[in-house]
Amino acid sequence: DAGVIQSPRHEVTEMGQEVTLRCKPISGHNSLFWYRQTMMRGLELLIYFNNNVPIDDSGMPEDRFSAKMPNASFSTLKIQPSEPRDSAVYFCASSLGGGNSPLHFGNGTRLTVT
Amino acid sequence: AQKITQTQPGMFVQEKEAVTLDCTYDTSDPSYGLFWYKQPSSGEMIFLIYQGSYDQQNATEGRYSLNFQKARKSANLVISASQLGDSAMYFCAMREGLNTGNQFYFGTGTSLTVIP
Repeated sequence: DAGVIQSPRHEVTEMGQEVTLRCKPISGHNSLFWYRQTMMRGLELLIYFNNNVPIDDSGMPEDRFSAKMPNASFSTLKIQPSEPRDSAVYFCASSLGGGNSPLHFGNGTRLTVT
Repeated sequence: AQKITQTQPGMFVQEKEAVTLDCTYDTSDPSYGLFWYKQPSSGEMIFLIYQGSYDQQNATEGRYSLNFQKARKSANLVISASQLGDSAMYFCAMREGLNTGNQFYFGTGTSLTVIP
């Protein structure tokens, strides 16, 4: 089985530009999570979806961030406009429903905003 | 209150020795799952082991075992016979409930260094 697939692996962009991160969850998984990881703040939950519906977006830092899940096999996280403080590793992860199902992570997108 | 607490920012262990990484959790839900993840320097997050709140026995996966003490709300990870490749960040996580769609709570992690 293919794991969670994220693209791009690395993204370098200039401040003010729009950035779109993409994620394909594991087939059959009905929960999808976006996390951000930095040295200063650790692993932060940004937003998660259940059956393509956003459940909790309280972790989204500000209106510059938006996430969509148009179908069960695709999600995007968009930052517009990007700022240097957005530089981080962004992980997408998916899971089956239920408390005994582990979270499966993608390899992450390392974003650098200059 | 923090849902997951990992009090050891960094740990050192001699190669071939066993090491215990601490994790305590806070929940009022009788149904929950506890998970450990490994993040090596290459960055990927690797699922290691799972313990359910109703499981009677401690979970084991190869050299990993989970010391589950429900009354104390602790779920410590034990790595036996440490190897150099075990050097990594380790995260404890919890998911409450048995219903679809609940979020995962992560601790701040413990950095483990295995000394040759």
